[in-house]
Amino acid sequence: SQQGEEDPQALSIQEGENATMNCSYKTSINNLQWYRQNSGRGLVHLILIRSNEREKPSGRLRVTLDTSKKSSSLLITASRAADTASYFCATDDNYGQNFVFGPGTRLSVLP
Amino acid sequence: DVKVTQSSRYLVKRTGEKVFLECVQDMDHENMFWYRQDPGLGLRLIYFSYDVKMKEKGDIPEGYSVSREKKERFSLILESASTNQTSMYLCASSPLGPETTFGSGTRLTVV
Repeated sequence: SQQGEEDPQALSIQEGENATMNCSYKTSINNLQWYRQNSGRGLVHLILIRSNEREKPSGRLRVTLDTSKKSSSLLITASRAADTASYFCATDDNYGQNFVFGPGTRLSVLP
Repeated sequence: DVKVTQSSRYLVKRTGEKVFLECVQDMDHENMFWYRQDPGLGLRLIYFSYDVKMKEKGDIPEGYSVSREKKERFSLILESASTNQTSMYLCASSPLGPETTFGSGTRLTVV
């Protein structure tokens, strides 16, 4: 059963705006990861955040994790057309097994 | 309603055996992917295919091969299984657009 669920399912913004995507999960986790997938390509790993971390930046990306709410957010600042892709979150269980993915958020950045 | 089906949920094989992991999708997608997933390493792309009889190497193709004789089926082959190939294997498919559907995964243990 899928544990990660991204929200919204689709998001359209103008270039230069910030984009925020959310992920909710159901059970306790060790790690949560965000991936990007461009059209027709494989997944690209973006950020891994551990359960004892609350925030992790990486360039224009910033991931937050709230284990009390079982949720995570991915923020993309100053978006570019090249950021147009699907974004997935993946979570593992307490045994480090069974990464499961949500359905993804389709982000469209319009020039 | 399962769209991407992986033939086995759990598999145990001996070192040196030839292993076939099967993946079938019923959405008429052009693209299919095989990933392996290891704790702390994220998802890594092994092979992908854009069309029938077409394949391309991903990031970690060594020790693997693939077969796509029909559009709906993408097989991952371990020619001679080794213990370092113990992992979770995920199959995915996507149309020419960005949406992706993942299978539930096959946990392979090589002893």
